[in-house]
Amino acid sequence: DTEVTQTPKHLVMGMTNKKSLKCEQHMGHRAMYWYKQKAKKPPELMFVYSYEKLSINESVPSRFSPECPNSSLLNLHLHALQPEDSALYLCASSQTVVRGPNQPQHFGDGTRLSIL
Amino acid sequence: SQQGEEDPQALSIQEGENATMNCSYKTSINNLQWYRQNSGRGLVHLILIRSNEREKHSGRLRVTLDTSKKSSSLLITASRAADTASYFCATASNAGKSTFGDGTTLTVKP
Repeated sequence: DTEVTQTPKHLVMGMTNKKSLKCEQHMGHRAMYWYKQKAKKPPELMFVYSYEKLSINESVPSRFSPECPNSSLLNLHLHALQPEDSALYLCASSQTVVRGPNQPQHFGDGTRLSIL
Repeated sequence: SQQGEEDPQALSIQEGENATMNCSYKTSINNLQWYRQNSGRGLVHLILIRSNEREKHSGRLRVTLDTSKKSSSLLITASRAADTASYFCATASNAGKSTFGDGTTLTVKP
């Protein structure tokens, strides 16, 4: 079992749908991350939240909208996605994002997203 | 090309053998981390080595870091079938951005 919980595990949606991915951790971590991973590729960073504030947006299209309602929750709102957005979306958390050595990240098992 | 490139891309060995995979990176780093990913699962952190360290051990894992060559290696000794997974190195910037290498897919045959 992982300490970072992601729901749903699988999601199939049409290009006109609106859906949300959810991520939850109760380790007291103050940094949370969204990654996108295509098959047989490494995870690609999308967003970083530090103390509930967006600190990094890796030029992600606006059809992906992150939200951090509190220190334990991270959402990714999806709207008007394209077939090429089909991928595994991974959430991760770490103790902090600070200057100096970064902390190890704890990953959830991801949401496998398919866009029809 | 990506920060954090690994070789080999794929490695197949027999149970009990050692597995070595390498990672090269381009910019200066605070630390370098290794992660494992089993098929269909999230990544699991294995070990972190700081830029002022040269070698680190954790159980059957041995990691080396050569900052002059901008390279790291992960050695798994006495491999087991359960070690079958993809292994990624990751470098971290001051701003909290982690960049993952392309990964090595390890298959350990029983």
